[in-house]
Amino acid sequence: KNEVEQSPQNLTAQEGEFITINCSYSVGISALHWLQQHPGGGIVSLFMLSSGKKKHGRLIATINIQEKHSSLHITASHPRDSAVYICAVSVGGSEKLVFGKGTKLTVNP
Amino acid sequence: NAGVTQTPKFQVLKTGQSMTLQCAQDMNHNSMYWYRQDPGMGLRLIYYSASEGTTDKGEVPNGYNVSRLNKREFSLRLESAAPSQTSVYFCASSDRSLAASYEQYFGPGTRLTVT
Repeated sequence: KNEVEQSPQNLTAQEGEFITINCSYSVGISALHWLQQHPGGGIVSLFMLSSGKKKHGRLIATINIQEKHSSLHITASHPRDSAVYICAVSVGGSEKLVFGKGTKLTVNP
Repeated sequence: NAGVTQTPKFQVLKTGQSMTLQCAQDMNHNSMYWYRQDPGMGLRLIYYSASEGTTDKGEVPNGYNVSRLNKREFSLRLESAAPSQTSVYFCASSDRSLAASYEQYFGPGTRLTVT
């Protein structure tokens, strides 16, 4: 069993829809990361969180430490949000990350 | 400020050939990483370096060697390439001294094909 599980694997939405991507993990963590990988391949960090909720523009990330679960929400989705969204966790005090397999999001106009 | 740079961007090798992937960061980060990304799999750590002169194996180190000669540069070497090493390789860096931040910064990737 993977330590980090994401769902769904693939997601297709219409422009303007509210998007939710889920991440569950099975180990104790010091932080959870959400990353975005665009079709060109580049990977950028969106959020790093260890508790509660963070918001940046139309993106919101939440984490429930007790349930070992995090969600990434995109409000008013746009075709430019089309990308692979990757969840990763820092285990214990390590800087090393364990990655989920990613969720491929396609937003159609 | 270029962030993390990688060379080359693309490479085709024949089985048995050797090559070195180069990575450099200009953010004065202590930690650097090499990952590979394969279809249907998450990013997997090949090697990790917590500081200049130190390296540790990650999840999939077989067939690779690394070198951290200075704080900026971390290279990945394939001594005898195999088709199973066909992948996209990413270098990344981070610095936990930044308010206990573990945020990693990624290079643009190297697409390697071994025939």
